[in-house]
Amino acid sequence: DGGITQSPKYLFRKEGQNVTLSCEQNLNHDAMYWYRQDPGQGLRLIYYSQIVNDFQKGDIAEGYSVSREKKESFPLTVTSAQKNPTAFYLCASSLGPLSYEQYFGPGTRLTVT
Amino acid sequence: QQPVQSPQAVILREGEDAVINCSSSKALYSVHWYRQKHGEAPVFLMILLKGGEQKGHEKISASFNEKKQQSSLYLTASQLSYSGTYFCGTLSGNTPLVFGKGTRLSVIA
Repeated sequence: DGGITQSPKYLFRKEGQNVTLSCEQNLNHDAMYWYRQDPGQGLRLIYYSQIVNDFQKGDIAEGYSVSREKKESFPLTVTSAQKNPTAFYLCASSLGPLSYEQYFGPGTRLTVT
Repeated sequence: QQPVQSPQAVILREGEDAVINCSSSKALYSVHWYRQKHGEAPVFLMILLKGGEQKGHEKISASFNEKKQQSSLYLTASQLSYSGTYFCGTLSGNTPLVFGKGTRLSVIA
């Protein structure tokens, strides 16, 4: 079955630790995205990548980093510089750049205490 | 800049109709609509491209007025399965999709 997987579903970390969220897709999509979802805020774009080895900052990139070494994978690292990291994180992919429909993974709920 | 969705929340009885609006201050190339059920991933509903077209997906349809930079999502004869949060996403120029804050729809029996 084709789709997007994110792991783990729930993640707990202590303040000051970096944490990496996994996102893998087997849809052969070129573009991948990371969103953060907070209650009442909608989906806010953290980073996106339209092609392997290239990525751009979204609206709220501060305190996050990404890599795109393989077409299938787009991991997100939440660094200790992110002031309020507790949130629901969603990864998505699309066949082509920007204007194509996006397919979302199931999400990772990160709690930092 | 985030598009503005209205209303923020709506409660319907089964069989009633609803309209969700999405407006932007920018010139739009396209509008996307997604639905997210509680605790799940958003699911794509439809894309409307520049040209004022109207699209449909079962009893859910949408329109796009590019002159007014607005889109509306129409849900007719609502079913319990329609409950969820509806997001519009707007595309302007060469920038990524920007999502609104969502409209929470609750359908009750």
